[in-house]
Amino acid sequence: AQTVTQSQPEMSVQEAETVTLSCTYDTSENNYYLFWYKQPPSRQMILVIRQEAYKQQNATENRFSVNFQKAAKSFSLKISDSQLGDTAMYFCAFMDLSGTYKYIFGTGTRLKVLA
Amino acid sequence: DVKVTQSSRYLVKRTGEKVFLECVQDMDHENMFWYRQDPGLGLRLIYFSYDVKMKEKGDIPEGYSVSREKKERFSLILESASTNQTSMYLCASPRPGRESTEAFFGQGTRLTVV
Repeated sequence: AQTVTQSQPEMSVQEAETVTLSCTYDTSENNYYLFWYKQPPSRQMILVIRQEAYKQQNATENRFSVNFQKAAKSFSLKISDSQLGDTAMYFCAFMDLSGTYKYIFGTGTRLKVLA
Repeated sequence: DVKVTQSSRYLVKRTGEKVFLECVQDMDHENMFWYRQDPGLGLRLIYFSYDVKMKEKGDIPEGYSVSREKKERFSLILESASTNQTSMYLCASPRPGRESTEAFFGQGTRLTVV
């Protein structure tokens, strides 16, 4: 069975600084996606970034980038130039391409950006 | 603009009541999921459906059932609500397709069982 582990329950960062959130996963599959989702206080889950396992290149979306290490089964999220609006719960998620599109989530990291 | 809508944002029910949580998506997706979110436990899959009248148990199905009579609607049923089912419930529907897959979520229902 696939598992996703986020070992940092809470983190804080100063505004404009850079922060990295960690995520490791376990799977025997070769074809899968990895995601980072953000859940602000409004509770609406928002996709931050996604990475396809067969792509070597790390995904980037503006201030958000990932460090995907397939052999190590590691998928960290880097937020550059942190903004107050980045304050949220961040979930790492795994989805294999078996056809059901079932998502497995980590336990989340609560990030607070300090003014 | 894609949309997943949950019928209630907040709900308070009594122990032993039968509770229905409704989720509707307007994206014509086959797959729909119900998750439960608890602090320190993340999101845990209760049930999912990959077609009308098709359902599969997730990781924590005990005490729950589901119904999918129409493609756009996926209902989560608490047969006899208990206080340990007090939680946040999230409905999700992923967009299929290798190049563009992404899960869209409802706004969540915070259920309190008293």
